[in-house]
Amino acid sequence: QVQLVQSGSELRKPGASVKVSCKASGYSFSRYAIDWVRQAPGQGPESMGWINTNTGKPTYAQGFAGRFVFSLDTSVTTAYLQISSLKAEDSAVYYCARDTLGAADPFDYWGQGTLVTVSS
Amino acid sequence: EIVLTQSPGTLSLSPGERATLSCRASQSVAGNFLAWYQQKPGQAPRLLIYGASSRATGIPDRFGGSGSGTDFTLTISRLEPEDFAVYYCQQYGSSLETFGQGTKVEI
Repeated sequence: QVQLVQSGSELRKPGASVKVSCKASGYSFSRYAIDWVRQAPGQGPESMGWINTNTGKPTYAQGFAGRFVFSLDTSVTTAYLQISSLKAEDSAVYYCARDTLGAADPFDYWGQGTLVTVSS
Repeated sequence: EIVLTQSPGTLSLSPGERATLSCRASQSVAGNFLAWYQQKPGQAPRLLIYGASSRATGIPDRFGGSGSGTDFTLTISRLEPEDFAVYYCQQYGSSLETFGQGTKVEI
């Protein structure tokens, strides 16, 4: 069965960095993009962008270029989200999700979410 | 960027009643690539509807989607206790998807 399993909760101080992983299984990894979605406390989901699992090329939504980096390790079918120079406002649940590469498709499977808390 | 505006913010209903949720886009959604998700506390969003009106796998037929262009609707014909949750629309017709701010369906 299709699964996206994310790493556990993280607590960081302002200015630090964090790396969240998303392990995919149960499907052909290279057929689907991995999308990243941020959900701040009490807010709706916000698309951060996506990474092409064939080429490794990331695409960032407005406001997420610079401190946010998407990467892959295809040998272990895992996608990563790294956030540097963390700020308090980065505290949120971060989800990975998949959608079909080269097609307009919704996010049919999601990871369970990773809570990132930034606090001194 | 396509902005999605959902209304109402909160819908207070009872089990067995009909729920009608609205999602309006700031510009036409290409291909009517509009999805609806349900989210319960502590859980990831779950895909309910895609292509404006197609139910995702395993979604009961009391959930229905309609609309085109800039105006879309999610209807829950008879609310079950497990349907009380937050619902989000999403457009995925452009290169970067966007979500609405959500409608909470509460008892």
